[in-house]
Amino acid sequence: GIQVEQSPPDLILQEGANSTLRCNFSDSVNNLQWFHQNPWGQLINLFYIPSGTKQNGRLSATTVATERYSLLYISSSQTTDSGVYFCAPNAGNNRKLIWGLGTSLAVNP
Amino acid sequence: DVKVTQSSRYLVKRTGEKVFLECVQDMDHENMFWYRQDPGLGLRLIYFSYDVKMKEKGDIPEGYSVSREKKERFSLILESASTNQTSMYLCASSFGRNSPLHFGNGTRLTVT
Repeated sequence: GIQVEQSPPDLILQEGANSTLRCNFSDSVNNLQWFHQNPWGQLINLFYIPSGTKQNGRLSATTVATERYSLLYISSSQTTDSGVYFCAPNAGNNRKLIWGLGTSLAVNP
Repeated sequence: DVKVTQSSRYLVKRTGEKVFLECVQDMDHENMFWYRQDPGLGLRLIYFSYDVKMKEKGDIPEGYSVSREKKERFSLILESASTNQTSMYLCASSFGRNSPLHFGNGTRLTVT
């Protein structure tokens, strides 16, 4: 099955800094989603992005399906951005997502 | 906004008890999922359902069963709870085969 690798595993930023999180996947995918899990455990869907680029406020995501990677950009980071970011592609004709182990982000004031 | 509601935020049960975790979504979503999340292991799919009374095993179904009698409700059942089922349990739903997944707040279950 598809393997998902996220990098870096851990990241520490000062408030206001920018960052790029990467998600590599080993095979073709139908779609890919990015999630943020806050320190209280709540998982929020950030992007549904099978290909191309999307922007939502300070966050944007790009998926290059032909090269099997996706990037999540966080600009002007805030302490509320802290938490774990997961990418989860979906492949084949099923409803199951394949989950990476996440990037743990800490934004310091 | 999509709302996925899990019945309990924290739950403490004894070994051998039968445990029910309930999940309700209010957006007429076709698909519902139960995951568990453990440190270092990420999210692992237990069961999912794509229609009323339909269910499919995920990656770690052993020790669990599910029920979906109504479209909006998906229940996870631990027939005889064991300490290795202590975990964070996350319910999620999505509209169709390729559509965004939305999560509930999670239930942190401790089995003693």
